[in-house]
Amino acid sequence: RKEVEQDPGPFNVPEGATVAFNCTYSNSASQSFFWYRQDCRKEPKLLMSVYSSGNEDGRFTAQLNRASQYISLLIRDSKLSDSATYLCVVTRAAAGNKLTFGGGTRVLVKP
Amino acid sequence: ETGVTQSPTHLIKTRGQQVTLRCSSQSGHNTVSWYQQALGQGPQFIFQYYREEENGRGNFPPRFSGLQFPNYSSELNVNALELDDSALYLCASSLGPSRGGVRSGANVLTFGAGSRLTVL
Repeated sequence: RKEVEQDPGPFNVPEGATVAFNCTYSNSASQSFFWYRQDCRKEPKLLMSVYSSGNEDGRFTAQLNRASQYISLLIRDSKLSDSATYLCVVTRAAAGNKLTFGGGTRVLVKP
Repeated sequence: ETGVTQSPTHLIKTRGQQVTLRCSSQSGHNTVSWYQQALGQGPQFIFQYYREEENGRGNFPPRFSGLQFPNYSSELNVNALELDDSALYLCASSLGPSRGGVRSGANVLTFGAGSRLTVL
């Protein structure tokens, strides 16, 4: 089983709609969580960190569920420019300096 | 402030050859990590360099090696190339080595645009 798993999608989303997707992690000792965004054939870029209390950044909301070992990302009022692959990233103390990426969830926002 | 720059952007090699990829870290960043991203997959950690020494390594064979220079730039070397080495190689810089359990800017990576390697 992979340490970090994501539904690869694609999630086809009408413009203006809301989309949400999860990322599950297998190691309960995981401590830091992030969402990165990767556009086609580009490098990943940090979208947001995920805090235990959940956090919001504009149209994006991230949640952490430690009991069920998953994080989620919700995008409200989807824009065409939100089309990208969203990568879940997990770190844990025992892994020291390694960020573990999920395989990514592809989101396609259509007019 | 300059970002992370990588070279070359694209290259084609044949099996058994050797390749060197280069990375200049973002201004003010002293740590460089290398990741391999195969098509349709997430980036996989290769290794990290801090203070010119390897500071952690992922599940990659010894034919993957690296260097960090005093100006914090870095090289990734791959010997005896195999077809499965075809991938996007991403360099990422950060403020110090990442710490898994600490909510720290050191966990925030700035990626370069990558070097796309094709092995024939």
